[in-house]
Amino acid sequence: DADVTQTPRNRITKTGKRIMLECSQTKGHDRMYWYRQDPGLGLRLIYYSFDVKDINKGEISDGYSVSRQAQAKFSLSLESAIPNQTALYFCATSLPSYNEQFFGPGTRLTVL
Amino acid sequence: SQQGEEDPQALSIQEGENATMNCSYKTSINNLQWYRQNSGRGLVHLILIRSNEREKHSGRLRVTLDTSKKSSSLLITASRAADTASYFCATDDLTSGSRLTFGEGTQLTVNP
Repeated sequence: DADVTQTPRNRITKTGKRIMLECSQTKGHDRMYWYRQDPGLGLRLIYYSFDVKDINKGEISDGYSVSRQAQAKFSLSLESAIPNQTALYFCATSLPSYNEQFFGPGTRLTVL
Repeated sequence: SQQGEEDPQALSIQEGENATMNCSYKTSINNLQWYRQNSGRGLVHLILIRSNEREKHSGRLRVTLDTSKKSSSLLITASRAADTASYFCATDDLTSGSRLTFGEGTQLTVNP
């Protein structure tokens, strides 16, 4: 079984709709992250959480919100999706003592 | 903003040849990491080099770090078709609080 899972894997939605992307992990890591990747570009950090009570904005948090429901679950919401939020979204986890990050398989989101 | 910048953006070589990718960054770092991404999939951690290290090896991978020039290189020796992927450097800088900043990646194609 995969250590970091994301649901859904693919989603097509319309402008203005609310979308939630979910991430679950079985690695027991406290730290979780959400990134987006646009074609031909690297990853940009949206939000990150170092424990259940800790939520921090990343580089590009506008238009997004997150919820850390448990150590193992970190959800990303688009309150009102817009076309330029079309991208590949990745969840990742890490340990505090060693900053190697473990990535989920990604969610491909298309906003029409 | 992107901390790491990879060079070249794309590299095409024949199987058996060596592949070298470079990464430059702007700020002082705790460590620099290299990740691999197969098309449209999650990133996989390859190797981490700390700011007080100059060279590190892992199998066919060799990473160097020059903090005076704020640059790193990733060498893949005796490349294989299965090495075809995008390679990203990521920096954990002293002010980021253990967040990683990713470069835009080098697309490596290894031709059989």
